[in-house]
Amino acid sequence: DQQVKQNSPSLSVQEGRISILNCDYTNSMFDYFLWYKKYPAEGPTFLISISSIKDKNEDGRFTVFLNKSAKHLSLHIVPSQPGDSAVYFCAARAGTSYGKLTFGQGTILTVHP
Amino acid sequence: ETGVTQSPTHLIKTRGQQVTLRCSSQSGHNTVSWYQQALGQGPQFIFQYYREEENGRGNFPPRFSGLQFPNYSSELNVNALELDDSALYLCASSFGGFWASGRSGANVLTFGAGSRLTVL
Repeated sequence: DQQVKQNSPSLSVQEGRISILNCDYTNSMFDYFLWYKKYPAEGPTFLISISSIKDKNEDGRFTVFLNKSAKHLSLHIVPSQPGDSAVYFCAARAGTSYGKLTFGQGTILTVHP
Repeated sequence: ETGVTQSPTHLIKTRGQQVTLRCSSQSGHNTVSWYQQALGQGPQFIFQYYREEENGRGNFPPRFSGLQFPNYSSELNVNALELDDSALYLCASSFGGFWASGRSGANVLTFGAGSRLTVL
């Protein structure tokens, strides 16, 4: 049972344009959502997060949007840069299970110069 | 500030053997979580350790076990290895505990680079 889904295995965008990565979840108990980025041979690194009491969180070029009624979140990267090319994982957490994240399958983002 | 370090980076075992993977948590962190990432999949939660005790477990059999030491480092042990255990094993640390719930940045996991296990 995949509780967090990233339905796009890959995404290709041009440098300077917007990248939009999507994530859907099914578990209503999830109340905190995170995006991680992973380069080859490295561990996932934290990018941005959002609590379920918010619908938007922004950090520089990165914005995460949360639509609780649709159980959907998205990550916007504007403008996209070649260095953003990586695998992006959406993750969710329920309550005080701090170390337990449920991850999606990941989306490979490629930003072309 | 040192990050999360894991050892070994790569190892090969045969079916039925046992393996121990090690993790040093980031300084200031007191909680360690372990994840298994199969090829083409997202990381899957194995278990978490806080104050040297298992504090949450995912859908993994008892042959997956762990330890946390007083310095917050941790080990993951897997007995009776199976072919499907071939994966990247990720360790993550955080500052956890119930008092941390309101602290900015608390409970964001910091991951190590992982240990790649191949079971033949």
